[in-house]
Amino acid sequence: GAVVSQHPSRVICKSGTSVKIECRSLDFQATTMFWYRQFPKQSLMLMATSNEGSKATYEQGVEKDKFLINHASLTLSTLTVTSAHPEDSSFYICSASHNQETQYFGPGTRLLVL
Amino acid sequence: GENVEQHPSTLSVQEGDSAVIKCTYSDSASNYFPWYKQELGKRPQLIIDIRSNVGEKKDQRIAVTLNKTAKHFSLHITETQPEDSAVYFCAASNRNTGGFKTIFGAGTRLFVKA
Repeated sequence: GAVVSQHPSRVICKSGTSVKIECRSLDFQATTMFWYRQFPKQSLMLMATSNEGSKATYEQGVEKDKFLINHASLTLSTLTVTSAHPEDSSFYICSASHNQETQYFGPGTRLLVL
Repeated sequence: GENVEQHPSTLSVQEGDSAVIKCTYSDSASNYFPWYKQELGKRPQLIIDIRSNVGEKKDQRIAVTLNKTAKHFSLHITETQPEDSAVYFCAASNRNTGGFKTIFGAGTRLFVKA
C-alpha cells in the first residue's frame, strides 16, 4: 500500500513555457502533499505544503506565482512551473501523507529547461 | 531557523561491518524522526522512524536511537550488505500552527563493499 505516482517522469521544455507535474496517491487519501526540489547529490528542499481544498503554504524563498500548486482532491496535487527558465531545471519530487507525519514519496520528475 | 545536520556525508564500509549515521536537530519541538533510504534514481523510502517518547527502536538489522536532551539521533545498520548502498536521509518533524513540518538532513552516501 501507500503508492504515490508522479507524472511525467521527465520533461524537456523551452525557456518561457509552463510545465505541469502531477502527483497522485493511488491507494490512500492524502490530506497533505508536499513538494520538494532536489539538486544533484543534495538533500530534499521543501518548496511547499498543500492541504486538500486550501491554499498551499510556501517555504521562504519559493515564489508562489512561479510555482503554482493545486490540491483539488484527496488523491491529486499539481505543481505548475510557470515561465520556466534554465535555472528551474531540477528534480522535483512530491510526497503524500494521510496524517501529515508519514510521507510517501513519488518517483520524481526530472525537468530540463533549454 | 530549524536545521538538521547529518554526518558523515559519505561512508564506506566492508560488507558485514556496521554503519552508523548521526544527526542533530535544532528545534526542540521536534517529536518525530524518520529515516529514508534513496537508491540511485529512485524515490526516498521510509525505512524506520522514532518518536520523541521512545529512546530506541529496532527493526531487524536497522536500529535508531534518540537522545532528546542532546538533540541527537542516529541510524545503525548491522551486518551491512551491498544492497544497503544508497543515500540515507534523516529528518526531524514537528507540528506547529502551520501544520506538520519536516526538515531533512543533507544525506549520507553509504557504500558497502563486497
